[in-house]
Amino acid sequence: DAKTTQPTSMDCAEGRAANLPCNHSTISGNEYVYWYRQIHSQGPQYIIHGLKNNETNEMASLIITEDRKSSTLILPHATLRDTAVYYCIVRDDIYNFNKFYFGSGTKLNVKP
Amino acid sequence: GAVVSQHPSRVICKSGTSVKIECRSLDFQATTMFWYRQFPKQSLMLMATSNEGSKATYEQGVEKDKFLINHASLTLSTLTVTSAHPEDSSFYICSARDAQTKNTEAFFGQGTRLTVV
Repeated sequence: DAKTTQPTSMDCAEGRAANLPCNHSTISGNEYVYWYRQIHSQGPQYIIHGLKNNETNEMASLIITEDRKSSTLILPHATLRDTAVYYCIVRDDIYNFNKFYFGSGTKLNVKP
Repeated sequence: GAVVSQHPSRVICKSGTSVKIECRSLDFQATTMFWYRQFPKQSLMLMATSNEGSKATYEQGVEKDKFLINHASLTLSTLTVTSAHPEDSSFYICSARDAQTKNTEAFFGQGTRLTVV
């Protein structure tokens, strides 16, 4: 039941910022936006999440548009180890607590 | 973040046999855990919700008699693939959330790659 649309793949030069977009035009008022990434043959890794305010942590920044219909994950200085599939997920934290429905994600290729 | 551990990381079994996969929350308690399956080049698909002390709830299309889930303690959930067939070969991943915090993010295990021959 993925409610997000992401580009299939993106390239980024090492050391540059990686900006990964996500469309979630049908998001409802109590749904959060979560970002996870999956490095090949590993379990997904939590990155960041937010409701309507922009968020920043040690890994990334999350920019959510004012109408909340889209968001952008920013990796400020991409490294080769950031090559992974990045998943944007919207989730109702009240009624579907902890359930994540994954879409197809964006394969980010960080190149030297 | 919190640590979720799966065992084994890889398993090969013969067709018709059963295989058990364990999911443990190492440094927190989890009243609910989740099981996912991922086929090659595809995304994760939620299979079921494992509830401590009660029956698991399965997503539509997932056979509960084929994928037995037991959540006997606050730190352990097991998934048993019964009468495995080659089409059950997949990457199985569990996730859990720390029930004693207000944090809402879930943490995932490293996955178990099952190959049925």
